[in-house]
Amino acid sequence: LAKTTQPISMDSYEGQEVNITCSHNNIATNDYITWYQQFPSQGPRFIIQGYKTKVTNEVASLFIPADRKSSTLSLPRVSLSDTAVYYCLVGDKAAGNKLTFGGGTRVLVKP
Amino acid sequence: DADVTQTPRNRITKTGKRIMLECSQTKGHDRMYWYRQDPGLGLRLIYYSFDVKDINKGEISDGYSVSRQAQAKFSLSLESAIPNQTALYFCATSGTSGRSQNEQFFGPGTRLTVL
Repeated sequence: LAKTTQPISMDSYEGQEVNITCSHNNIATNDYITWYQQFPSQGPRFIIQGYKTKVTNEVASLFIPADRKSSTLSLPRVSLSDTAVYYCLVGDKAAGNKLTFGGGTRVLVKP
Repeated sequence: DADVTQTPRNRITKTGKRIMLECSQTKGHDRMYWYRQDPGLGLRLIYYSFDVKDINKGEISDGYSVSRQAQAKFSLSLESAIPNQTALYFCATSGTSGRSQNEQFFGPGTRLTVL
């Protein structure tokens, strides 16, 4: 089973930066960390992926400390359309690197 | 055309009926997955297949079975549906190595209701 932990929910306002931290103490040596976004009644959509340090794309940034036991997804200047559930995905060392999702963080962006 | 398709998109059935949910992909991926999502909850892995001859149980496989008919097709069956299998079901695919195995591409989902 997945050993990732994320906050259940967080609220923000338009224009603010949102940071979501995922804990993954049993991450496998060769695994990448991936974040997904899901809107209601839709399948999850890939946002960003990283292995260590920092990764940035047009949507978000991903910060990964040296020990890789956690990662932080950063959404800059959120808008109402960023309201969604965000999932952290890592390999599961206890299950032979089978990929499973974390519990997800529900982000509500308010006007 | 969508890369990952699921049929049917919606299904209402009765307890005890056999149901098959189908998934097809045009991405050429070897790996395919079936997930279940209950209202307000995250995704739970039912079964996954790393190639046509490889089928593995996920977190919640009891009451389900799968068939990998070809690289592009992965079906999920409920042999005797029960009401607590009412959920949203997603199929996904991914590549096979390094970065690509973590990037999963999801279908639009099948909403199943068991009365």
